[in-house]
Amino acid sequence: DGGITQSPKYLFRKEGQNVTLSCEQNLNHDAMYWYRQDPGQGLRLIYYSQIVNDFQKGDIAEGYSVSREKKESFPLTVTSAQKNPTAFYLCASRTGTQYEKLFFGSGTQLSVL
Amino acid sequence: GQNIDQPTEMTATEGAIVQINCTYQTSGFNGLFWYQQHAGEAPTFLSYNVLDGLEEKGRFSSFLSRSKGYSYLLLKELQMKDSASYLCAVRGGYGQNFVFGPGTRLSVLP
Repeated sequence: DGGITQSPKYLFRKEGQNVTLSCEQNLNHDAMYWYRQDPGQGLRLIYYSQIVNDFQKGDIAEGYSVSREKKESFPLTVTSAQKNPTAFYLCASRTGTQYEKLFFGSGTQLSVL
Repeated sequence: GQNIDQPTEMTATEGAIVQINCTYQTSGFNGLFWYQQHAGEAPTFLSYNVLDGLEEKGRFSSFLSRSKGYSYLLLKELQMKDSASYLCAVRGGYGQNFVFGPGTRLSVLP
């Protein structure tokens, strides 16, 4: 079955540490997104990529970095510069057509030790 | 700027009907989406509107008025499993990205 796989489900970060969240899709989608969700808030866009080897900053990109070396993969690194990283992180993908919806992965809960 | 408003919480009784409203102000419009999200899980797609009017899909219906910047999601014959957050999202603006509202947490009581 096609879908989006995020790993790990739970992740703990120590002070000053960088951590990487994995996102893999086998839907053959061109566009991929990373969202952050805090309790009681909507999804906020961190980074997005419309095509391989290209990505753009979203609304809250500071303290995060991404890469898009393969169509299937869009990993997110939470750097030590992100001072408040505790949140639920969601990866999503979409085909390149105009009216296509987002498909989401199951999410990664990141917490600070 | 871009802004989407939804009520924070709603409560309804099993078997009843509930309407969740969404108002939006965005630069550009290319569709309005409703997603359901259970706690700690991924959002799942419910409905999509790009033209004015009502879209019906089983127990769920969604309405759009582009001139008023307004949509609602109507849930009929409520079941306990409908207890979840409902996210309103608009696609448009720079990069044609999706802007999400804060979500409405619906509690269905027996």
